[in-house]
Amino acid sequence: SQQGEEDPQALSIQEGENATMNCSYKTSINNLQWYRQNSGRGLVHLILIRSNEREKHSGRLRVTLDTSKKSSSLLITASRAADTASYFCASGGTSYGKLTFGQGTILTVHP
Amino acid sequence: DGGITQSPKYLFRKEGQNVTLSCEQNLNHDAMYWYRQDPGQGLRLIYYSQIVNDFQKGDIAEGYSVSREKKESFPLTVTSAQKNPTAFYLCASSTIAGAPWGEQFFGPGTRLTVL
Repeated sequence: SQQGEEDPQALSIQEGENATMNCSYKTSINNLQWYRQNSGRGLVHLILIRSNEREKHSGRLRVTLDTSKKSSSLLITASRAADTASYFCASGGTSYGKLTFGQGTILTVHP
Repeated sequence: DGGITQSPKYLFRKEGQNVTLSCEQNLNHDAMYWYRQDPGQGLRLIYYSQIVNDFQKGDIAEGYSVSREKKESFPLTVTSAQKNPTAFYLCASSTIAGAPWGEQFFGPGTRLTVL
């Protein structure tokens, strides 16, 4: 079963708005990662946050991690139509070398 | 060009047939993974390998088999025992040493359809 649960399942916004996606997990982690998938393609790694970090930035991406609540959020600021994709969180640490992926959030950014 | 290649992009299988999906990487990564993705779903781990000649079952290994004879290659065979094999299959790789849960690099995927 998937450890990660993502919320919302789908998000539709206008270009220029911010998009926030949330992820929850169930067991202790070493790190939490976010990936992007364009329709019918492979996943692309976006950002990794370690269990001892609370916030991390990369360009227009901001990730937070709250280990007490076993949750993470991904914020995409000033979204663009090209950000339209599915976004997945993946937690590492339940078993050596394995990542457990969430169900994903489908983001649609309208021009 | 460094990366992961998967072939074929599309594969059609008749019921009762075994088929093999190819995955090759030239990133010199130790670990390789196979995932299955169903429409609107996340990724589920089928098999993974951290070193040549060794591999472990993931969460949904039944009906699948793998081999890891070379560091660069990790083929997946979908056997006739897999009851519902129609899905999108993704191969990934990562380094292990010093970062066992690090970033994974994904191939473009193979879409398998059972006729």
